[in-house]
Amino acid sequence: GAVVSQHPSWVICKSGTSVKIECRSLDFQATTMFWYRQFPKQSLMLMATSNEGSKATYEQGVEKDKFLINHASLTLSTLTVTSAHPEDSSFYICGGGSEKRYFGAGTRLSVL
Amino acid sequence: ELKVEQNPLFLSMQEGKNYTIYCNYSTTSDRLYWYRQDPGKSLESLFVLLSNGAVKQEGRLMASLDTKARLSTLHITAAVHDLSATYFCAVDLYNFNKFYFGSGTKLNVKP
Repeated sequence: GAVVSQHPSWVICKSGTSVKIECRSLDFQATTMFWYRQFPKQSLMLMATSNEGSKATYEQGVEKDKFLINHASLTLSTLTVTSAHPEDSSFYICGGGSEKRYFGAGTRLSVL
Repeated sequence: ELKVEQNPLFLSMQEGKNYTIYCNYSTTSDRLYWYRQDPGKSLESLFVLLSNGAVKQEGRLMASLDTKARLSTLHITAAVHDLSATYFCAVDLYNFNKFYFGSGTKLNVKP
């Protein structure tokens, strides 16, 4: 099946710093990528949909300025958590694809 | 806002038993997916259901979709311990570029 590569898999950062998470589609062209966050033992909450070459669409309640999404090419979407705080600590997952939807291995973010 | 509800949220069952997980959603869609997630891991694709009446089977798992009832089921036959995981359904609103997950069902199969 198609592969989505997500990097890094785990990141620890200090409060106030910014963290970038990359999501690459390795064998398909992703005009759209979905970004989720998942708290322990909970479901995946859709944060935003990134669109190649245009602005991302954010879900209600998600801060656009805090979670910056860029989708500059058909194979790369990035999520930058700006001025991270401990409450941003979570598991972030990206995914895409057309008929089949594939997901990356996830990024565990810990903000100290 | 789309709601995707799974029932039950937790399921503890004995090996060899059968059970069904239900996934209800609140808006029109004819694309429904099922995934498995092991602790600390990402999502493994199980089934893609793309039309009303679709039924797919893989091993001890069988998924079906009724778009009129806005209901999908994941049936487990003769459960084994290796099936212990969390199962998510997801609804694809492809016309709106949205993909929403259900609440998840944590399955524990006891030997």
